[in-house]
Amino acid sequence: GQQLNQSPQSMFIQEGEDVSMNCTSSSIFNTWLWYKQDPGEGPVLLIALYKAGELTSNGRLTAQFGITRKDSFLNISASIPSDVGIYFCAGQTYSSQGAQKLVFGQGTRLTINP
Amino acid sequence: GAGVSQSPRYKVAKRGQDVALRCDPISGHVSLFWYQQALGQGPEFLTYFQNEAQLDKSGLPSDRFFAERPEGSVSTLKIQRTQQEDSAVYLCASSLDQMGEQYFGPGTRLTVT
Repeated sequence: GQQLNQSPQSMFIQEGEDVSMNCTSSSIFNTWLWYKQDPGEGPVLLIALYKAGELTSNGRLTAQFGITRKDSFLNISASIPSDVGIYFCAGQTYSSQGAQKLVFGQGTRLTINP
Repeated sequence: GAGVSQSPRYKVAKRGQDVALRCDPISGHVSLFWYQQALGQGPEFLTYFQNEAQLDKSGLPSDRFFAERPEGSVSTLKIQRTQQEDSAVYLCASSLDQMGEQYFGPGTRLTVT
């Protein structure tokens, strides 16, 4: 089945540093999504990317949809303690019935030292 | 407003027991999804409902897994004769329609002993 390779698996940074993580796939996706998951909670959507080459920002977060439609990256600038959590990329495709299906990466666990 | 809710939040089952996990989607959301999230992994798609119709169940790992949404709102994921490999967090998500953003519930953590 489709798989997404997300890296790095974990990051340990100092507060205020910038963060970069990326996701690659062997398959093409129509849409790339980035989620954040806090302990004991479900994933929450951060950014959605709909066009190849698209660069989108949401506050301190910036994400890009790769031109080949097989990769995406997420940058977080000037990290703060509440950025701690697990970040997932997800590729969106559609089934034959027209329903969206999400394929998730393995996640990047972000830890911030104050 | 209320988000997606799931119950129970935690479930411990002995191997071989049947379990039922409940999902209350956001009111008015047509689409409902179930995912399985193993420890340290990303969620994996299990099944999808549009109203009461189960349009995609390609992700269900075995015939021990069964999902229903009889009235097009609340959904139940049932696992029969649980095995240790079924231990995971089961996430439910709903969206306004089949193209819309998915909103996730907090999940049910199932531990099979």
